[in-house]
Amino acid sequence: QQQVKQSPQSLIVQKGGISIINCAYENTAFDYFPWYQQFPGKGPALLIAIRPDVSEKKEGRFTISFNKSAKQFSLHIMDSQPGDSATYFCAASMASGEYGNKLVFGAGTILRVKS
Amino acid sequence: GAVVSQHPSRVICKSGTSVKIECRSLDFQATTMFWYRQFPKQSLMLMATSNEGSKATYEQGVEKDKFLINHASLTLSTLTVTSAHPEDSSFYICSARDWAKGTHQPQHFGDGTRLSIL
Repeated sequence: QQQVKQSPQSLIVQKGGISIINCAYENTAFDYFPWYQQFPGKGPALLIAIRPDVSEKKEGRFTISFNKSAKQFSLHIMDSQPGDSATYFCAASMASGEYGNKLVFGAGTILRVKS
Repeated sequence: GAVVSQHPSRVICKSGTSVKIECRSLDFQATTMFWYRQFPKQSLMLMATSNEGSKATYEQGVEKDKFLINHASLTLSTLTVTSAHPEDSSFYICSARDWAKGTHQPQHFGDGTRLSIL
């Protein structure tokens, strides 16, 4: 059972455009939702994270939108740059219980920004 | 920021060899670390949770006798792939959290170890 569903699988965006990646989760006990960026041959790096008590969080060009009732959250990359080309993973975790701080990852989105 | 160092970055060895991978939290203490495996163009698959001073907790389907985990200090966890075979070739990544800062702190990842078994 896929706990966190991520789409699209791949995305091509023109330089300066907006990249949008969507995730949906099943378990309402999840209470922490980070996004990670991974370059080839490297480990994932935390981009931005949100908790369900807020609907939006912005850090620089990166924004998370969170819809608790729909159990969905998305990453928006404004003014996308070629250097943003990477694989992006959404994830979810909970402080206790079945997953006890473990991260459940989405399948990943390969982003390519064309210059 | 929190830094996790993983060593070695790449290992190439013969079938039957045991390989040890180290994961260190450089500027914080981590009572718990996590080990992941990642196949090309796929997501991260959690293998086990490494607990300082106690036994690791393995995910379903992960052979604990194959993947030995030791977490002897608050800054070091090791993963040993015993008697490695070509099917064990993969990208292994560790992560750690600064537990002193409380819940909902992000996991910080090492840069991974590319293991190739010939």
